[in-house]
Order: sequence, then structure tokens, then C-alpha cells
Amino acid sequence: EDQVTQSPEALRLQEGESSSLNCSYTVSGLRGLFWYRQDPGKGPEFLFTLYSAGEEKEKERLKATLTKKESFLHITAPKPEDSATYLCAVPDSGAGSYQLTFGKGTKLSVIP
Amino acid sequence: DAGITQSPRYKITETGRQVTLMCHQTWSHSYMFWYRQDLGHGLRLIYYSAAADITDKGEVPDGYVVSRSKTENFPLTLESATRSQTSVYFCASSDPGETQPQHFGDGTRLSIL
Repeated sequence: EDQVTQSPEALRLQEGESSSLNCSYTVSGLRGLFWYRQDPGKGPEFLFTLYSAGEEKEKERLKATLTKKESFLHITAPKPEDSATYLCAVPDSGAGSYQLTFGKGTKLSVIP
Repeated sequence: DAGITQSPRYKITETGRQVTLMCHQTWSHSYMFWYRQDLGHGLRLIYYSAAADITDKGEVPDGYVVSRSKTENFPLTLESATRSQTSVYFCASSDPGETQPQHFGDGTRLSIL
């Protein structure tokens, strides 16, 4: 069974305090990994797709990396507006369905 | 504006009633999805559709019905609502391809009393 585990469940940072969020997965034949941001009362907003181990993607203060077993979302010098829940997801092992398995998310709070 | 729109945003109904949640997208994406999001479970797929008149079950389909007569619309119906279906429901769409990102609407918060 495909599983996606995110840690920590919640993270409080001071503004400017860099850190990383973790997404570990067990899926055979990884075909990609997605990161999303979700604000309260909103739907998930797409951030990145990572396709293979060693790949990195950056957007403003966020950088996503991928290994064979996990992905990290690094947040450099965060600001209060980076506060949100960050979700990762992987396509299911079964071919052709385009179903995603989501992690439960990491709720990030950045304190001014 | 291009995007994905869900309606209503909030709905309160009673057990046993039928309720339909609407989803409309303007991107002409072929794939559309319905998820529910609950504390402790994260996002779980209910149904998805690869094209008009093609639908398939996801992880938690029981108690739900979908249809897709037009590419841009993908309504979700709870035929006889139960309290366990109280949740936040999200619709998403994407281009075909396993590495194509899904784009989400802002959800419908459904409460069943």
C-alpha cells in the first residue's frame, strides 16, 4: 500500500529562522512527487513537481529536493506570509489512474 | 477568469437528504477529481473522471454518485446524506499524465445534521 508521511505535523518558526519539512514515501516506481500549499479556507495550491531523485526546484524562499525515499521542502528566512499547511503527494503505484496519495501535511506558523 | 469554481461554498443539510455539490472548470482539462478532507485523514479521493462520460471510483466512493456529461462540469451527489459525510469537499482538474499537477478549487464545507 502506498504511503506518504509528513513530519513534523506542526512547526513554529521565528521570522527569518530557516528550517525544513519532510515528506517520506513508500511507493514502487516513483513517477513524481508534488508539493502543495494550503491556506485556511482555501484549496491546495500547486507549488512544485519533482520527477526524479536528485532534482531540485526553487520558488522564492522555498526549495524542494527529492531522494529515493523522501523529499524535503526547505524554507529559507521565512516570513509570516509563508504560514500555511504544506502538503506532499505521490501518484499511486497503479498505472493510468492518476490518483494521488497525499500526506496529512505540515502546518507551518511563522511568527513575526 | 480561468480557474475552477465550486458551489456552494457552505452547505448545511439534514441526514437522509440529497445534496449536490457543483464543480466547473474553464481550463478544458480532461481529468477531474473529487476529494474530501477530514482532520486526521488528509485528502482522500472519492471519484475521478478521465473525460466526459468516463468516471471511476477512488478510495472512498461509498454513498456518492458522480456524472460528467460536459467536460467542464463534474457534480458530486450525496444521494442520502449521513453525518459521516460531514467534511470539506474539494474538486480538482488536470491535464492527462501522471506528472501533471492537479489544480484545486476552494472547496465546499458541508455539514450534515
